[in-house]
Amino acid sequence: DIQMTQSPSTLSASVGDRVTITCRASQSINNWLAWYQQKPGKAPNLLIYKTSTLESGVPSRFSGSGSGTEFTLTINCLQPDDFATYYCQQYNSYSLFTFGPGTKVDIK
Amino acid sequence: EVQLVESGGGLAQPGGSLRLSCAASGFTFSDYWMSWVRQAPGKGLEWVANIKPDGSEKYYADSVKGRFTISRDNAKNSLYLDMKYLGADDTAVYSCARAKLGDFDYWGQGNLVTVSS
Repeated sequence: DIQMTQSPSTLSASVGDRVTITCRASQSINNWLAWYQQKPGKAPNLLIYKTSTLESGVPSRFSGSGSGTEFTLTINCLQPDDFATYYCQQYNSYSLFTFGPGTKVDIK
Repeated sequence: EVQLVESGGGLAQPGGSLRLSCAASGFTFSDYWMSWVRQAPGKGLEWVANIKPDGSEKYYADSVKGRFTISRDNAKNSLYLDMKYLGADDTAVYSCARAKLGDFDYWGQGNLVTVSS
């Protein structure tokens, strides 16, 4: 099975900060990695897919990078609306998808 | 507009069964893999199951394998999740989601399943 880890688990930041979240896979996932933002009581919102492709309608301050087993989500100039929990997800094979444990971005 | 609307959640007894439904609209349902994802209260996201567009392939998380069955009716634009032998660990909000390339671009609003006596 492919395991996903995320770091940090919680991140305290201020409006205007640059924030980076790391996601690691236990084996190569061929860049089949997505990032989601979730706010309390709401469905997750797809931000990035295939490691670095921005989903339509997502602000350009969000970006994704990485390869192999290490991936990052970067938020440039953090906005008040960005305080949320972020999840990575690998989808290397339809036989098994895995989410990371999440990173909560809260206000410093 | 793409819409996914779940129904069928609620309270189930330990060891009991429940069926979730997801009504899809606004896209060609039969073109897409579909999935169920759950989230236990205060916890993270957990993938549950995938089903191929024609229903010929189905995959499950180990935590539900042998107890849950994913199915679809393309004529009715509907996705289902039959859950048996439910336990407390199955208490969660269950959401259906459209798998674009495996990433989930549309989600339902979620349906709470509570397993308790």
